[in-house]
Amino acid sequence: SQQGEEDPQALSIQEGENATMNCSYKTSINNLQWYRQNSGRGLVHLILIRSNEREKHSGRLRVTLDTSKKSSSLLITASRAADTASYFCATDLYNQGGKLIFGQGTELSVKP
Amino acid sequence: GAGVSQSPSNKVTEKGKDVELRCDPISGHTALYWYRQSLGQGLEFLIYFQGNSAPDKSGLPSDRFSAERTGGSVSTLTIQRTQQEDSAVYLCASSLEASPQYEQYFGPGTRLTVT
Repeated sequence: SQQGEEDPQALSIQEGENATMNCSYKTSINNLQWYRQNSGRGLVHLILIRSNEREKHSGRLRVTLDTSKKSSSLLITASRAADTASYFCATDLYNQGGKLIFGQGTELSVKP
Repeated sequence: GAGVSQSPSNKVTEKGKDVELRCDPISGHTALYWYRQSLGQGLEFLIYFQGNSAPDKSGLPSDRFSAERTGGSVSTLTIQRTQQEDSAVYLCASSLEASPQYEQYFGPGTRLTVT
């Protein structure tokens, strides 16, 4: 069963604009992670935020986590055409060995 | 070093046949995970292995699905008597240990099509 829901399902922006994707989940977590997937194949890990963290940055990525609302957001600043991909949030459940429960994903299209 | 590799990259099989999908994890990674990605179900966990411990099979959708990990390294996911609903991309990932603090590295996946 899916733990997370993401919105929007699809997002289309111009190069240089910022892209914001949101993720909500249902149960308590250890960490929340964001992944990128190009062309429906392998996933690339972007960033991990722990349940006791509220915000984390990595390059042009900014992730926030609100455990009281069970939600997270991924912001990509100054987007590039190469950022076009699907983005997934994934949560891991306490004492479940690190297995990930993924959201449905957001398809981001960045137009040059 | 080399990343996670999977083979074959694509597999087309007839309904009712058995298939084997292979995953070579990153050397030294003790944890190995299998996920499935299909249009209707999104990305779903299937099974994971941690060292010599009994695998967590809680995500396997039916008893037609099984997986082995030999020698703590290579893993094979077997689907018996394939059905059309088994069509999906099967993704393998490995990590240093089966713990949330360790990043999972994904392979390119095997696209399975059951006709």
